[in-house]
Amino acid sequence: EIVMTQFPATLSVSPGERATLSCRASQSVSRNLAWYQQKPGQSPRLVIYGASTRATGIPARFSGSESGTDFTLTISSLQSEDFADYYCQQYDSWPLTFGGGTRVEIK
Amino acid sequence: EVNLVESGGGLIPPGESLRLACAASGFNLDRHDMHWVRQPAGGGLEWVSVIGPALDTFYEDSVRGRFTISRDDANNSLYLQMNSLRPGDTAVYYCARSAFSGEFDSWGQGTLVTVSS
Repeated sequence: EIVMTQFPATLSVSPGERATLSCRASQSVSRNLAWYQQKPGQSPRLVIYGASTRATGIPARFSGSESGTDFTLTISSLQSEDFADYYCQQYDSWPLTFGGGTRVEIK
Repeated sequence: EVNLVESGGGLIPPGESLRLACAASGFNLDRHDMHWVRQPAGGGLEWVSVIGPALDTFYEDSVRGRFTISRDDANNSLYLQMNSLRPGDTAVYYCARSAFSGEFDSWGQGTLVTVSS
């Protein structure tokens, strides 16, 4: 099983600042990596897939990158609606696995 | 418009069975991998099971042998039969659709399963 490790667990950021979220895979997942956003009481929403492709309707302030087994989600200038939990997921091999999540909270 | 609506959750004693359903609209279930994902209260996301267009299935280790995923193409619905339920199975259960490239591009609103005596 591929273990996905996200860090930090909590990120405190002021509105307008940049947020950088990290996700590390225990082995190669190629670029089969997605990021999801989840707000309280809501289901997850796809943000990034293929490590760096924004999903439909996702603003350009969201970007994803990859370096080997390390993946990064960057939110360039945090808006109020971006404060949420974020999960990475590998869909390269079974069983599919999620990271433990990063909570982005208002500083 | 793609829409997924889960139903069937509830309070169930340990050892009992429950069947979840996910009604799909706006697309044909039989053209996509369809998944169940669960989330315990205050916890993270855990993938549970998948059924593919060819009815191939796969399960997470802790549910294999207890849970069965299935599909009714005539009703465009996905199911999860859960037997021998345990308190650790308590979670919100989501159905989700895989895009052809693999990521989960649509999610239902979830249904809560509580396993407790």
